Amino acid sequence: QSALTQPASVSGSPGQSITISCTGTSSDVGGYNYVSWYQQHPGKAPKVMIYDVSQRPSGVSSRFSGSKSGNTASLTISGLHAEDEADYYCCSYAGSSTWVFGGGTKLTVL
Amino acid sequence: EVQLVESGGVVVHPGGSLRLSCAASGFTFDDYTMHWVRQAPGKGLEWVSLITWDGDTTNYADSVKGRFTISRDTSKNSLYLQMNSLRTEDTALYYCAKVALPFGVLIHMDYWGQGTLVTVPS
Repeated sequence: QSALTQPASVSGSPGQSITISCTGTSSDVGGYNYVSWYQQHPGKAPKVMIYDVSQRPSGVSSRFSGSKSGNTASLTISGLHAEDEADYYCCSYAGSSTWVFGGGTKLTVL
Repeated sequence: EVQLVESGGVVVHPGGSLRLSCAASGFTFDDYTMHWVRQAPGKGLEWVSLITWDGDTTNYADSVKGRFTISRDTSKNSLYLQMNSLRTEDTALYYCAKVALPFGVLIHMDYWGQGTLVTVPS
């Protein structure tokens, strides 16, 4: 149960697009299509932005999209807004009713 | 409105025990798998444990296996985490979370509580 690997930080200017990667193994990210992404603002509970690799919950902006290739999942945010500045965590099913999170990525909107 | 309210977090010495609670409302608690997720101060999220809607399946992160026990009481709409043999590295904000769809395990978490802080000083 090793944490998934995410970049510690990414940044972009308003209106730009950014992508956050999430690398695991064939036992988690690569083995299942159960990757979700959570946004967390300081002092707040996490909020799901993407589930099942690329599905967007009702109410989440279409600027958020997800994908997966092999053992790496990705979250793309297009048309960056100031309010997108937050921490982002990927999460994957890892078999046998266990789950694993990524280490988190701090997104800065310049 | 879905509400998850955690409680029970305190300062506890290494080796001590503690039971966290999560009071659920606004949904049919009996139908949903529930999770505990923790976040050490200034650190990332760490999955801790899961219990299925019927209580038949539980599992734990390796870091807590054998020390923590998850349970649920449908009569009280409550989720619990019994924490034994606490270590300094268990210091964290503990969240309970529900999954988005009933009667499933391979489902993302959609609602989270605000967390309860457990501190195990060195």
